[in-house]
Amino acid sequence: DGGITQSPKYLFRKEGQNVTLSCEQNLNHDAMYWYRQDPGQGLRLIYYSQIVNDFQKGDIAEGYSVSREKKESFPLTVTSAQKNPTAFYLCASRTTGGGYNEQYFGPGTRHTVL
Amino acid sequence: QKEVEQNSGPLSVPEGAIASLNCTYSDRGSQSFFWYRQYSGKSPELIMFIYSNGDKEDGRFTAQLNKASQYVSLLIRDSQPSDSATYLCAAPFGGGYNKLIFGAGTRLAVHP
Repeated sequence: DGGITQSPKYLFRKEGQNVTLSCEQNLNHDAMYWYRQDPGQGLRLIYYSQIVNDFQKGDIAEGYSVSREKKESFPLTVTSAQKNPTAFYLCASRTTGGGYNEQYFGPGTRHTVL
Repeated sequence: QKEVEQNSGPLSVPEGAIASLNCTYSDRGSQSFFWYRQYSGKSPELIMFIYSNGDKEDGRFTAQLNKASQYVSLLIRDSQPSDSATYLCAAPFGGGYNKLIFGAGTRLAVHP
């Protein structure tokens, strides 16, 4: 089955701790994205990457870091500087070129700061 | 700052009725829009894409784009309880379709 996987499904982080969220896709998509969704809110872009070894900041990049060493993988590190207590983190991917090419989303990681 | 605005709802409609969801946008240059459906606790899934003025129909769903008035709407005919979800409107920005800006979503509740 082709798709996007995210782990863990639930993540509890202690204050002062850094954690890394995994995102893997086997769709052969070039572009990958990380969004944060706060309760009752829309999606806001954290980081995105259109090609291996290159990525750009989105609207709310502070307190986060990413890497793109492989086409299939785009992990997100939430650092202790990120103060948002509870959020739903969504990874997405899309193929590039040739039209609008929708973004496909993974199942998400629900993150809580203890 | 480009914005996409939606009424948060909830919009409550009886089963079998037409649900009308609206989205307004601030950037006159926006040419196309996506409608995503998100069930509670789940990730969004694309249900419609529209890029030209007028209507686009897909089964029970019709998207309507009015560029002069800067709004896009989604109509759901014969609403079913399974349509109860949050509907997110999104527009590309920054050139091409690489990045999307999302509205906050409208929660739809279809009651039997």
